[in-house]
Amino acid sequence: GAVVSQHPSRVICKSGTSVKIECRSLDFQATTMFWYRQFPKQSLMLMATSNEGSKATYEQGVEKDKFLINHASLTLSTLTVTSAHPEDSSFYICSARRGGEDYEQYFGPGTRLTVT
Amino acid sequence: GQNIDQPTEMTATEGAIVQINCTYQTSGFNGLFWYQQHAGEAPTFLSYNVLDGLEEKGRFSSFLSRSKGYSYLLLKELQMKDSASYLCAVLDSNYQLIWGAGTKLIIKP
Repeated sequence: GAVVSQHPSRVICKSGTSVKIECRSLDFQATTMFWYRQFPKQSLMLMATSNEGSKATYEQGVEKDKFLINHASLTLSTLTVTSAHPEDSSFYICSARRGGEDYEQYFGPGTRLTVT
Repeated sequence: GQNIDQPTEMTATEGAIVQINCTYQTSGFNGLFWYQQHAGEAPTFLSYNVLDGLEEKGRFSSFLSRSKGYSYLLLKELQMKDSASYLCAVLDSNYQLIWGAGTKLIIKP
């Protein structure tokens, strides 16, 4: 199989604080990991793509200083939302790709962030 | 630009058949994915087509015509649990996934 986990599944934080979300590939090595954001009743929006050991590539309009991505190993990527504000409240989903000829993205269960 | 079109919402009856269409215009093509997403959950993989034709997998089938830039997902013997959003995504020439906005499928008894 190809299992991806995310932690935490839900988090509530106060405005101005930072939140870290972890994404792990449990039974495979992920050469590439993706971070998405999804607002209610809207489609997935790709935020950034990260390859292990290199800097993440951010999509247009996504602030790289606000959404810090670290892909330190082939099984772990983290997304830190710095100085969170209520408008950052959303469903954050990561996915991982094995690489080679396998282009399927395996999704984590998502993290629901609420900023009060 | 890159564009993927699919209907915003569809309604079908339990036990019936429904076809969800997806048309695409992308810079290159390396395959098309269909994912299912239930409300509040992450997407789950349904199918991957890279060659023309129909791929059948249980109650779900996916069709691709590369010359027409067209795919459909066919769901048979609909069940209430099939109520979800269905996302079409194309792998472009850079092997990046380009996502459609999704089709919300509502199943009525």
